[in-house]
Amino acid sequence: EDQVTQSPEALRLQEGESSSLNCSYTVSGLRGLFWYRQDPGKGPEFLFTLYSAGEEKEKERLKATLTKKESFLHITAPKPEDSATYLCAGFKTGANNLFFGTGTRLTVIP
Amino acid sequence: EPEVTQTPSHQVTQMGQEVILRCVPISNHLYFYWYRQILGQKVEFLVSFYNNEISEKSEIFDDQFSVERPDGSNFTLKIRSTKLEDSAMYFCASSGDPGTGGYEQYFGPGTRLTVT
Repeated sequence: EDQVTQSPEALRLQEGESSSLNCSYTVSGLRGLFWYRQDPGKGPEFLFTLYSAGEEKEKERLKATLTKKESFLHITAPKPEDSATYLCAGFKTGANNLFFGTGTRLTVIP
Repeated sequence: EPEVTQTPSHQVTQMGQEVILRCVPISNHLYFYWYRQILGQKVEFLVSFYNNEISEKSEIFDDQFSVERPDGSNFTLKIRSTKLEDSAMYFCASSGDPGTGGYEQYFGPGTRLTVT
């Protein structure tokens, strides 16, 4: 069964304390992997797409990386405004639907 | 910056009633989607739509659901005879042409459906 699993479920960081979020996947025929940010009561906001093992993408304090089995979202020197739920989603070759993980709820304390 | 819009933001309906959720995708996008998120759970795919027909649907998308693109801008999800378990946040999304690398799906703000 195609599955995307995220860990940890929740993460509390002090402002400036860097960390990483994990997304492991077992998706046959994976074409790519998305990272989204979701604020409470809002829709997922697109962050990155990764297609190949070894690929890295960066945006401000966020960097996403991909291996053959998992992806990491590294957060460097986070700020309180980075507090949100971060979602990982896979998509398969020949299909357009996304498989979402349950997300990591990040709280950055000032 | 172009964005996906959805109306209404919140819909309350009684069990057994029909509801129509509306979306305006990004104007030059070709693929349109509906997802739902039950409170505290993961985002789940319902259906994708391309070239005026359904291209994929999940097991959730049964005969109770239908989609339509009634004109050049709107994309709707109809739920006939709503059930309590249909209460969820419904997200519309759109994406460009995968043939030119347009895989990214952009989501709207969602419609919160409450069935009483």
